[in-house]
Amino acid sequence: EAGVTQFPSHSVIEKGQTVTLRCDPISGHDNLYWYRRVMGKEIKFLLHFVKESKQDESGMPNNRFLAERTGGTYSTLKVQPAELEDSGVYFCASSEQANTEAFFGQGTRLTVV
Amino acid sequence: AQSVTQLDSQVPVFEEAPVELRCNYSSSVSVYLFWYVQYPNQGLQLLLKYLSGSTLVKGINGFEAEFNKSQTSFHLRKPSVHISDTAEYFCAVSPTYNFNKFYFGSGTKLNVKP
Repeated sequence: EAGVTQFPSHSVIEKGQTVTLRCDPISGHDNLYWYRRVMGKEIKFLLHFVKESKQDESGMPNNRFLAERTGGTYSTLKVQPAELEDSGVYFCASSEQANTEAFFGQGTRLTVV
Repeated sequence: AQSVTQLDSQVPVFEEAPVELRCNYSSSVSVYLFWYVQYPNQGLQLLLKYLSGSTLVKGINGFEAEFNKSQTSFHLRKPSVHISDTAEYFCAVSPTYNFNKFYFGSGTKLNVKP
């Protein structure tokens, strides 16, 4: 069975451009989470989807970030416009239920220059 | 609010030596405790978790951790490390009412030398 898959693995964009990150959760997992690690610091929670609904988006840093999960399958995280401080690794995780183990993807390394 | 402190950003150790990676946390609510590992070019993998019961928790690859409530610590140990244990290790907590909302420490890079 495939694990959590994230695309692309790396992305380098210029400040002011738009980037869209994608996460494909494990099939059948209703819960999907986004985390990010900026500048080698802590990995921080961004948001939590239950199917297509945002259960908790308390970690979203500002309105330049837009997460969607249309149809409750894959999710996208769009950054528009990107700033230098958005550089980091963005992780996605999924779990079957909210209180079962979450499995993480390999992450997308975003570099804004 | 929850926070996690990993005191050592890097730990060099020789192969077959014991290792301890330290983790302390603070929280205003009850939490679960976790250790995750990230091998080079891979995602985060769960090593072990403490939910309740025995304070000594055994995980994969010979790792174990002990929950100490009075010291609010959850140190990770392995009696004999291998080259393949070279990775970054993350301590995390989550509130018991929100299992997968993790608060991570800043990570400890374990470098096992031959």
